[in-house]
Parts: sequence; structure tokens; C-alpha cells
Amino acid sequence: EIVLTQSPGTLSLSPGERATLTCRASQTVSSDYVAWYQQKPGRVPRLLIYGASSRDTGIPDRFSGSGSGTDFTLTISRLEPEDFAVYYCEQYGSSPFTFGPGTKVDIK
Amino acid sequence: EVQLAESGGGLVQPGGSLRLSCTASGFTFSNYWMMWVRQAPGKGLEWVANIKEDGSEKYYVDSVKGRFTISRDNAKRSLDLQMNSLRADDTAVYYCARGGSVGDIWGQGATVTVSS
Repeated sequence: EIVLTQSPGTLSLSPGERATLTCRASQTVSSDYVAWYQQKPGRVPRLLIYGASSRDTGIPDRFSGSGSGTDFTLTISRLEPEDFAVYYCEQYGSSPFTFGPGTKVDIK
Repeated sequence: EVQLAESGGGLVQPGGSLRLSCTASGFTFSNYWMMWVRQAPGKGLEWVANIKEDGSEKYYVDSVKGRFTISRDNAKRSLDLQMNSLRADDTAVYYCARGGSVGDIWGQGATVTVSS
């Protein structure tokens, strides 16, 4: 099973700032099959990125994904008030598919 | 509108059974893999199981193998999760999602609580 580690655990930033979230896998993720989700308290997860760098339909271009192999990054270029949430990475290159523990982005 | 709606959650004693259902609308259900993902209280997400478009392939996380069964009825546009021999660590919100690996549409979730 591939174990995902996300850092930092919490990121405290102000609106307008850039957020860089990291996801590291314990083994190479096949075909860079990594997705990123956003989840707000009491809400359903929302798909942001799949295939490491492809934005899902309707996702603003301030969200971007990059990386390959074992190291992946989600970047939010300029934080909007609605972006403060928990972000999870997921690898789906090998079964069982696994999620990281999440990074909470909160308001500084 | 594309939607998924779960039902069937509740409180069950350890060792008991529960069946969750998910009804799809707004898209051609039979064209998609589907999956269940759960989230324990205050915890992260855990992929549970998925099923191919025609139901011919099913995969499970090790912790539920032999206890949970995923199934679907394309005519009724429904996805089910039969959960047997439930344990306290199965307590979670269970989400159905469109896709077998990446979920682009999620239901609102069904809460399952396993407690005596």
C-alpha cells in the first residue's frame, strides 16, 4: 500500500498570499495518478486536480498541480476567502487507492 | 443536475449489518465506475470499494474484504454497499462518488455509527 504524507499539517496564510501544499508518496505513483480535493467543514469533498496537473471542470486557474514520481504539489496562486479549507491528496496509481492525512489552510 | 443521494445510514450494534444505497440522477449511471469512500469522525478520507460499469469487477480495501459487498443496479441507477460484521472502527460518514478512483461527483454522505 502506498502511504501519502502531506506537509505542512497546517498552513496559516492571509487572503491574496500564495499557498504551496506538498504530498509525498512512499513509492512511485504509477502514471502520476494523483488527485487533490478540497473539503470545507461539514461539506463534501470537491475534486480540484487529477492526473497530477489537470484541473477538473469549473476549477479556477489559481489552483494548479505539479509533480511526478513521489513528490507532488498543489499551488493556490492567490488565496481567496473561500479557499480556506482542508486539502487532501489521493493516489490512484495502485490499489488500494489511498489518501493523505490532509493539509489545513487557515486564515492568519 | 448531476446528483448522488445516499440513504440507509444509522446506528447499529457491533457485529450487526447495514445496507447503504446511493441513487444517481442527471447522468448516464451505467457509463461510470462508482465507488464508496468513508470518513471517520474528525479524520481523513479512506477509499472503501469500487465497481465497474457493468458490475463485473469489484475491489475493496483490505479492512472490509469479506465483510462488505458493493453492488449496482443500472436499471434503477443505484449503487449499494452491504456491510456485515460491523465494528466500531467502521463508524464514519460513507460517501458514494462517481468514478472508480477519482471522484468528480459526491453524494452528501450517510452516517454509520457502530456502538453498543
